[in-house]
Amino acid sequence: NAGVMQNPRHLVRRRGQEARLRCSPMKGHSHVYWYRQLPEEGLKFMVYLQKENIIDESGMPKERFSAEFPKEGPSILRIQQVVRGDSAAYFCASSPSVGNTIYFGEGSWLTVV
Amino acid sequence: TQLLEQSPQFLSIQEGENLTVYCNSSSVFSSLQWYRQEPGEGPVLLVTVVTGGEVKKLKRLTFQFGDARKDSSLHITAAQPGDTGLYLCAGARSGAQKLVFGQGTRLTINP
Repeated sequence: NAGVMQNPRHLVRRRGQEARLRCSPMKGHSHVYWYRQLPEEGLKFMVYLQKENIIDESGMPKERFSAEFPKEGPSILRIQQVVRGDSAAYFCASSPSVGNTIYFGEGSWLTVV
Repeated sequence: TQLLEQSPQFLSIQEGENLTVYCNSSSVFSSLQWYRQEPGEGPVLLVTVVTGGEVKKLKRLTFQFGDARKDSSLHITAAQPGDTGLYLCAGARSGAQKLVFGQGTRLTINP
């Protein structure tokens, strides 16, 4: 059973460009979560999605950040007009249902230069 | 505001020593997880505790959930260099699916 797959693993963007991070949940998992980790810090919740629905986006910055989990295909975290402060590791996680264990992917490291 | 406070933030000890990492909060959690994270990788789940006072053992690691479900501890016996890593606690509040993470404890075991 493949784990949570994230790509790209590493992404470099210039200030003002767009970053797209993709996440394929574990097979059979319909719940997806995105977290951000700054250097030497714990993970901070960003958004929780089920297929085609955003359930909780209380951790998402109000501007430039968006997330989707379409009926077909991976979940996408999109960051428009990136700034240096967006440089971080972005982790996706999935679970089969509410209350179940959440499994994390290996992360996507975004560097804004 | 850090809902989960981990202590210590950094710990460096010699191989064979024992250690305890603490995870404290003023909030009640329905469950609490401990993760270990290696550099450049995602967090890997070690254990989930759900019952107040629960104790779980994983080889040389012992995890305890406080009676009031507000705090937890991780105790490692006879630490080995392979235990080196970032240890994260994360809590789930009742009715909420998202996890709240502590800031982590970076553990170094010296041979």
